[in-house]
Amino acid sequence: DGGITQSPKYLFRKEGQNVTLSCEQNLNHDAMYWYRQDPGQGLRLIYYSQIVNDFQKGDIAEGYSVSREKKESFPLTVTSAQKNPTAFYLCASSRVGNQPQHFGDGTRLSIL
Amino acid sequence: GESVGLHLPTLSVQEGDNSIINCAYSNSASDYFIWYKQESGKGPQFIIDIRSNMDKRQGQRVTVLLNKTVKHLSLQIAATQPGDSAVYFCADRGRGGSNYKLTFGKGTLLTVNP
Repeated sequence: DGGITQSPKYLFRKEGQNVTLSCEQNLNHDAMYWYRQDPGQGLRLIYYSQIVNDFQKGDIAEGYSVSREKKESFPLTVTSAQKNPTAFYLCASSRVGNQPQHFGDGTRLSIL
Repeated sequence: GESVGLHLPTLSVQEGDNSIINCAYSNSASDYFIWYKQESGKGPQFIIDIRSNMDKRQGQRVTVLLNKTVKHLSLQIAATQPGDSAVYFCADRGRGGSNYKLTFGKGTLLTVNP
């Protein structure tokens, strides 16, 4: 089946540690996105990429980094500079234009 | 900044009734709107979308209505079932922007009572 796979489902980070969240899609979508979801809030955009080897900051990029070396993959690194990383992280992909974004099932990140 | 919001944070209905979830948006330049359903511990699932050149669109058991005059969007679910219990989000995209810039509301929790 075509879809978006996020891993791991749960992740724990120690103080001062960088962690990387994986996102893979086999939908042949050009655009990919990372969102953060906190309780009682809407989704907030961290980074997005509309083409391989290019990506742009979203609304809350500080403390995060991404890469887009392959069309299918858009990993997100939560760095030690992100002081409040505990959240539910969602990856999405879409075709360009007025097309819906399709989401993975998320990674829940917590602090040890 | 401009944002998409919801009138009611929770909605409780009886199984078999019709549900209506409302959304007010503030960006008059928005040209594309989406409804998502999110179950606990999962990612949002696309339900239906509508472009600004339409005022109504129907899917399977769902209808989206768009009123651009008052900047209001609604999702109607016919014959609501227990499996419809979830949080429902609306999102909009400003006209002329790239596809990335969707603005999401905080969501409405729909509970279906058997």
